[in-house]
Amino acid sequence: GAVVSQHPSWVICKSGTSVKIECRSLDFQATTMFWYRQFPKQSLMLMATSNEGSKATYEQGVEKDKFLINHASLTLSTLTVTSAHPEDSSFYICSCPGQGITDTQYFGPGTRLTVL
Amino acid sequence: GENVEQHPSTLSVQEGDSAVIKCTYSDSASNYFPWYKQELGKRPQLIIDIRSNVGEKKDQRIAVTLNKTAKHFSLHITETQPEDSAVYFCAVTNQAGTALIFGKGTTLSVSS
Repeated sequence: GAVVSQHPSWVICKSGTSVKIECRSLDFQATTMFWYRQFPKQSLMLMATSNEGSKATYEQGVEKDKFLINHASLTLSTLTVTSAHPEDSSFYICSCPGQGITDTQYFGPGTRLTVL
Repeated sequence: GENVEQHPSTLSVQEGDSAVIKCTYSDSASNYFPWYKQELGKRPQLIIDIRSNVGEKKDQRIAVTLNKTAKHFSLHITETQPEDSAVYFCAVTNQAGTALIFGKGTTLSVSS
């Protein structure tokens, strides 16, 4: 199956700083990538859809100026959490539709963000 | 938008018993229904999926049934083992290449 990586796997930062998370499709091209957020003991909630060559589409209630998404190439999308606060501490996971049978999603390993 | 409800939220069974988790959805256009298993701190792992043109799919101890008329689908795990203990999520999508909408999850505990 397709391989999706994320970097970093975990990060601890101070309140007010910005954190960048990378999502890469390693063996296929992804014109679309999805970013999810998962709080402890909760489900995955879609934050935004990242589109190569155009602006990201954000879900209702997600601040686009706080969660900056850049789909820099066909294999890389980045999520930057700006001015992070403790309530942004969460597990951030990206996914990419597979090539061919595109309803199958391939998930990255996730990034654990802790804001102190 | 799509609404996915999942029940039960927790399920405890004895090793060897069967476990059933059910999800209902609201959008009749939904056509892809995967089930994921997630262990603590890890990514969701696809365990089985079904598309709207079939009513049932089985893979060893795991099966999924789909009732499009009633808009619900269920995960069936037979002969449960302690290693089946995890959080299970159902999800739906109505268009290839679009994001999945997840249920709230079921914590399955299998005791030996």
